[in-house]
Order: sequence, then structure tokens, then C-alpha cells
Amino acid sequence: GQQVMQIPQYQHVQEGEDFTTYCNSSTTLSNIQWYKQRPGGHPVFLIQLVKSGEVKKQKRLTFQFGEAKKNSSLHITATQTTDVGTYFCAAADNNDMRFGAGTRLTVKP
Amino acid sequence: DVKVTQSSRYLVKRTGEKVFLECVQDMDHENMFWYRQDPGLGLRLIYFSYDVKMKEKGDIPEGYSVSREKKERFSLILESASTNQTSMYLCASSFGISSYEQYFGPGTRLTVT
Repeated sequence: GQQVMQIPQYQHVQEGEDFTTYCNSSTTLSNIQWYKQRPGGHPVFLIQLVKSGEVKKQKRLTFQFGEAKKNSSLHITATQTTDVGTYFCAAADNNDMRFGAGTRLTVKP
Repeated sequence: DVKVTQSSRYLVKRTGEKVFLECVQDMDHENMFWYRQDPGLGLRLIYFSYDVKMKEKGDIPEGYSVSREKKERFSLILESASTNQTSMYLCASSFGISSYEQYFGPGTRLTVT
């Protein structure tokens, strides 16, 4: 079955530094979704990528879908304390979706 | 404003007890999901339902069952709770199984002693 690997598991940055989390699948994906879970909260949908090589931006967040549709990344430019939380990818393969283990981001002011 | 609600935020049960976790959504979604979340393991799918009275096993269904008698309600049942079922349980709903965003409830932190 599909395997989803997300790295790193943890990332601690100084406010203002950049942050990237990576999601890799063992199979070619139909789409990938990204979610953010604030401490004590529940996962909230951020974005969905569907096309090979797709790049989408939301303010300081940049999402990429790999050319082979097997990997994706989320990059945050100049992190702020409001970015803290766990970022999950959700990889969809036909009618099956798997969440990655998440990357927990902490930001030191 | 879309909403997924779960019956309890915190629950403490004893080993061997039968436990019911309820989830209600108000978005008329066909699909509903139950996940458990454990540190370092992310979100693992227990069961999902794509229609009333329909259910499919996820990755970790052992020790759990589900019920969906009405479209808006999806229940997770632990027939005989065990300590290794201590976890955060998250319910979600969606228009589709994999092509649409999932809306999550606030979660139930279950402790089995």
C-alpha cells in the first residue's frame, strides 16, 4: 500500500528564519493536501495541489508538487510565532488518502 | 460556518468499559472519518463511511467499530476499552474520500485507565 514519509519530524527555528517540510510518497499521487494543526487545536486545511510541478503561494507559504507527483514541500519564508504548530501532508492515491506523521514547528521569538 | 462537533473533549474510562464517541457534521457531507492521533505517528485512519449505513476499514480498525445511522452522525465504538487505546480521537467529514478537503472536529482526548 501507499507509504507517506514526512520530514523532518521536528524543526525549531528562530523567528525570521525560513522553514521547509517535505512529504514523499511511494506511489504516484492524484493530489496532495496540506493541513496545519495549532497546539491544542485540530488540523485545518491549507491547500490542495493537483498538477505536476504545481506551485501555489499563500502569503509567506509556498507549496510545491513534484514533477513526478510523488513528493511535495511546504516552505515558510521568515517564520513568525504565529506559524507554530504541526504541518501535515495528506497524500491521495486514487480513492485512498494517507496523512504523513507531521512536522512540528516551534519558533523562538 | 462549517462545523464538526464531537461529543466530549476529554473522557476517562476504565479498562473493559464500552466507549462511545460521537461526531456530528452540519455540512451535508457524504463522507465521514475517524482518526486517532498519537505523537510521532500522525493521523491514522480507523474507519470511514461514504454513505449512511456504509463503512470501510481504515489502517487500524482492530478493537473499534462504527455506526452511521444518519448522514450527519458518525459514531466510534470501543467495545472493550484497553489502555493502548488511550489517544486523541479526531472525526472529520468531507464531500469526497480523497479529492476534497476534510473538516475536522475539535477531538476527544480519551484516557483508559
